[in-house]
Amino acid sequence: NAGVMQNPRHLVRRRGQEARLRCSPMKGHSHVYWYRQLPEEGLKFMVYLQKENIIDESGMPKERFSAEFPKEGPSILRIQQVVRGDSAAYFCASSPPDLAGGSSYNEQFFGPGTRLTVL
Amino acid sequence: AQSVAQPEDQVNVAEGNPLTVKCTYSVSGNPYLFWYVQYPNRGLQFLLKYITGDNLVKGSYGFEAEFNKSQTSFHLKKPSALVSDSALYFCAVRPGGGSYIPTFGRGTSLIVHP
Repeated sequence: NAGVMQNPRHLVRRRGQEARLRCSPMKGHSHVYWYRQLPEEGLKFMVYLQKENIIDESGMPKERFSAEFPKEGPSILRIQQVVRGDSAAYFCASSPPDLAGGSSYNEQFFGPGTRLTVL
Repeated sequence: AQSVAQPEDQVNVAEGNPLTVKCTYSVSGNPYLFWYVQYPNRGLQFLLKYITGDNLVKGSYGFEAEFNKSQTSFHLKKPSALVSDSALYFCAVRPGGGSYIPTFGRGTSLIVHP
């Protein structure tokens, strides 16, 4: 069973360009989370998705950021008109559903991350 | 709102000595608690979790953690540290009432000296 896959591993963009980050969860996992990690700041939650649904996007900026998890294919985190402050490591994690259909007591499985650098 | 505190940015220990990485939390209701480890340029890897039951939880690579409800703590421990344990360790908490969003601590860098 392949782990969580993210691509690209490294992404360089100039200010104003768009960044698309992809995440393929583990087989059988229907819950996907996106996090941003900055040095000295730990891991910050951005968005939680299930197939075709955004469950919680409270950690994601309202402007320029969007996420989707379509019925087929990977989850996508999209950042439009990137700025230097968007430079960070972005991690995706997946988890299986628990007995109630949520994922509250299941651990998360993390991908290797995408390191975004905005020039 | 839930929160996690890892009071030490860095912990230094000699190889073969016991190690402790501290974590305290604040959450409404019963907590679900997790420890993850991150090696350089890698994603986080799950180590262990406390959901219910025995307060002492055993996990991967010889690590264990003790849930202490009165002190709202979930410290990570290992009896004998290895140089290869050197990494960044994260504690995380979720409320047991159904919120799906974990809160992570800022991380503690563990350095094990040969």
